[in-house]
Amino acid sequence: DVVMTQSPLSLPVTLGQPASISCRSSQSLIHSDGNTYLTWFQQRPGQSPRRLIYKVSNRDSGVPDRFSGSGSGTDFTLTISRVEAEDVGVYYCMQGTHWPMYTFGQGTKLEIK
Amino acid sequence: QVQLQQSGPGLVKPSQTLSLTCVISGDTVSSNSAAWNWIRQSPSRGFEWLGRTYYRSTWNFDYAVSVKSRITIVPDTSKNQFSLYLNSVTPEDTAVYYCARDPPGDQTFYPWGPGTLVTVSS
Repeated sequence: DVVMTQSPLSLPVTLGQPASISCRSSQSLIHSDGNTYLTWFQQRPGQSPRRLIYKVSNRDSGVPDRFSGSGSGTDFTLTISRVEAEDVGVYYCMQGTHWPMYTFGQGTKLEIK
Repeated sequence: QVQLQQSGPGLVKPSQTLSLTCVISGDTVSSNSAAWNWIRQSPSRGFEWLGRTYYRSTWNFDYAVSVKSRITIVPDTSKNQFSLYLNSVTPEDTAVYYCARDPPGDQTFYPWGPGTLVTVSS
């Protein structure tokens, strides 16, 4: 299976400051069709995951533009340009390139300092 | 807008069968471009994809190796839903179970159902 490794696992951030989460895969996520199926999810306490970003950098409808995704191959980053209180939660990356064995990162817990 | 609603018992005895249902609105289980998945989340194992079904002229099923001998996913076109059956459960199967749609061409999960906490205990 493809192993997804996130860092840091805990991310205390001051309101209004930027935040970045790294996600590394044990194999390249470039699919034979040319796409890279790397997704970012946000999970707020007590809620099911919400998709933020798909195919590395495509932001979902309704997701604030302070969220952005970047990267290629095996290294990916989720960036929040200015953290707001509602961003508290756990963030996960997931690969869908090597389907059907979808695999997730361990999660990064974002909290406000 | 696709929405998923889950139902099923929250407590299952060891060695019995866990069964959950996911009702779809805004799409059809027999869509020829989406896929319908079950995923679980536990503190010890994180997120674990369990399996999926999809229709492409015929019904297809993929299951995770870790549960392949115990899992069945059953689509029901008359009720526009799909169900998860996991037999011979142990306390290690205690988790929050989610259904989720894999949209056409995305290889991802969107949206997710609300989740069902299933506890395996006597």
